[in-house]
Amino acid sequence: QQQVKQSPQSLIVQKGGISIINCAYENTAFDYFPWYQQFPGKGPALLIAIRPDVSEKKEGRFTISFNKSAKQFSLHIMDSQPGDSATYFCAASGKYGNEKLTFGTGTRLTIIP
Amino acid sequence: NAGVTQTPKFRILKIGQSMTLQCAQDMNHNYMYWYRQDPGMGLKLIYYSVGAGITDKGEVPNGYNVSRSTTEDFPLRLELAAPSQTSVYFCASRSGQANEQFFGPGTRLTVL
Repeated sequence: QQQVKQSPQSLIVQKGGISIINCAYENTAFDYFPWYQQFPGKGPALLIAIRPDVSEKKEGRFTISFNKSAKQFSLHIMDSQPGDSATYFCAASGKYGNEKLTFGTGTRLTIIP
Repeated sequence: NAGVTQTPKFRILKIGQSMTLQCAQDMNHNYMYWYRQDPGMGLKLIYYSVGAGITDKGEVPNGYNVSRSTTEDFPLRLELAAPSQTSVYFCASRSGQANEQFFGPGTRLTVL
């Protein structure tokens, strides 16, 4: 079964700190790795995505780090803010995102003042 | 553009009742998806469609049915509601030229 394992399940970080969420996958055919952000009562929205031809992608305070040999990827949120408090889902798919997404189980992030 | 819209927002069903969750998108996207979200379980794909008239099962299709008669609409049918179908249901869509899936606001369904 194709799986994406995500940790931790919940995370509390102080304002200004670095939030790190990790994911691991099994299927070597996966070649598209997005992160979705979900606020309470809303649907998920794409935050940032990476393909395995690069080891890192940065968009503002959000960075994906990708380790192809270990089959792991992680989301780093620098200078975490209370507005970043949300649930974050990693996901993976093949054919550069043209296949179905397999989602991780989610991480509830809380940023405290 | 309204994006992806879902109705109703909330619904309580009795065991054995039937209902249809509505989903519509105005972005002319070919691909549409139905997910269910349970606490601590992430998003599980129920059914998906790659275009009008074409649907296929996802990871958890049992107890559900779909149809796709138009590009815009992708309703999800529950025939005999069971407590195990208590969940939050999300519809999503994407174009064939991009990877990003756009999600609706969700329908919270409780089966008692």
